[in-house]
Amino acid sequence: GEDVEQSLFLSVREGDSSVINCTYTDSSSTYLYWYKQEPGAGLQLLTYIFSNMDMKQDQRLTVLLNKKDKHLSLRIADTQTGDSAIYFCAESYNDYKLSFGAGTTVTVRA
Amino acid sequence: DTGVSQDPRHKITKRGQNVTFRCDPISEHNRLYWYRQTLGQGPEFLTYFQNEAQLEKSRLLSDRFSAERPKGSFSTLEIQRTEQGDSAMYLCASSLEGGGANVLTFGAGSRLTVL
Repeated sequence: GEDVEQSLFLSVREGDSSVINCTYTDSSSTYLYWYKQEPGAGLQLLTYIFSNMDMKQDQRLTVLLNKKDKHLSLRIADTQTGDSAIYFCAESYNDYKLSFGAGTTVTVRA
Repeated sequence: DTGVSQDPRHKITKRGQNVTFRCDPISEHNRLYWYRQTLGQGPEFLTYFQNEAQLEKSRLLSDRFSAERPKGSFSTLEIQRTEQGDSAMYLCASSLEGGGANVLTFGAGSRLTVL
């Protein structure tokens, strides 16, 4: 099955941490990804995690994976106005196709 | 390399007309993908090429859609007899085949509006 779900909106104050959540259904997913899309632009890969890992940290980004619950989260530390965008979670269970969620719109307020 | 380029960025057409989109991938990438994104949704896989071979087509790709990558470099996506339901952003992406994560680099997209 290919079903990725995300909450649609998140509002966060500048300087706070943002946590974006995602659930997926395919237990055979090998990699899970987070992409960012700004207005008028294509999707930009932020980070990805292999399914046998629990956590991955990359500067301000922390990805947590709970494979048992099929739950993925992205934490952005010290959220800035430039982090306002749509964030997509995606899974892959083969080596060519990604299945995306509908995206979470993050709004950073001053 | 300037990344993945798509042309045109915007296309407005009347129902029933044909449209063609072009994608120039990152030159060293041997895989090229087309995705479709409608308002409020994530991208949906349409098709992909490895070099010049089209290896997979989604059931979303009706017979009015055809994609080519004749020399394993740029690709075109043609939609014949457009319908209002074809209005969407058409995204192209490329990647280098290899073990591990499939890291796609996306273009900015071609937005189609069918009147």
